[in-house]
Amino acid sequence: QVQLVESGGGVVQPGRSLRLSCAASGFTFTNFGVHWVRQAPGKGLEWVAVIWFDGSNTYYADSVKDRFTISRDNSKNTVYLQMNSLRAEDTAVYYCARDWLTWNFDYWGQGTLVTVSS
Amino acid sequence: EIVLTQSPGTLSLSPGERATLSCRASQSISSSYLAWYQQKPGQAPRLLIYGASSRATGIPDRFSGSGSGTDFTLTISRLEPEDFAVYYCQQYGSSPPAYTFGQGTKLEIK
Repeated sequence: QVQLVESGGGVVQPGRSLRLSCAASGFTFTNFGVHWVRQAPGKGLEWVAVIWFDGSNTYYADSVKDRFTISRDNSKNTVYLQMNSLRAEDTAVYYCARDWLTWNFDYWGQGTLVTVSS
Repeated sequence: EIVLTQSPGTLSLSPGERATLSCRASQSISSSYLAWYQQKPGQAPRLLIYGASSRATGIPDRFSGSGSGTDFTLTISRLEPEDFAVYYCQQYGSSPPAYTFGQGTKLEIK
């Protein structure tokens, strides 16, 4: 079955960096794009970034552009989110999700919590 | 940027009743680009409807989606206890690709 497992969350000070990982299994990883979507405590969903199936294209929300970088290692079936210059407003549960038809997210991981606090 | 506005913010109904949730876009969007998700407390969202009206794999047929242009609706024909959750609509915008969600509708037991 399709599985996405996030890891790498934790508590980090403002201005520092953190890298999240999303390990995929149960499907042909190289056929699918992968997104990161976040949810601040008690708030709604916010799309963060996407990487194409072959890594050829990446896109970001304005709120994270120039600070976050999405990448993938198809030999490890893993997608990464490098988060630099973290701010308090980046505090959220970060989900990775498989792209469906380019327009949707059909499978989601269980999420990993990132807390930015001094 | 297209903004999605969901209404009502909270909907209080009883099991067995019909639920109608609304999602309005600030400008016309393609029906292909509109999806609905369900999220229960402590869980990841789950895709319910894509392309405005197509049910995702394994979704019961009591869930249906409709609409076009700027107005979209998620209908749950007969509420089951497990349907009480928060529902989000989501749209895709191209050039460059971007994805936005509505603020959510909480469906609670009356």
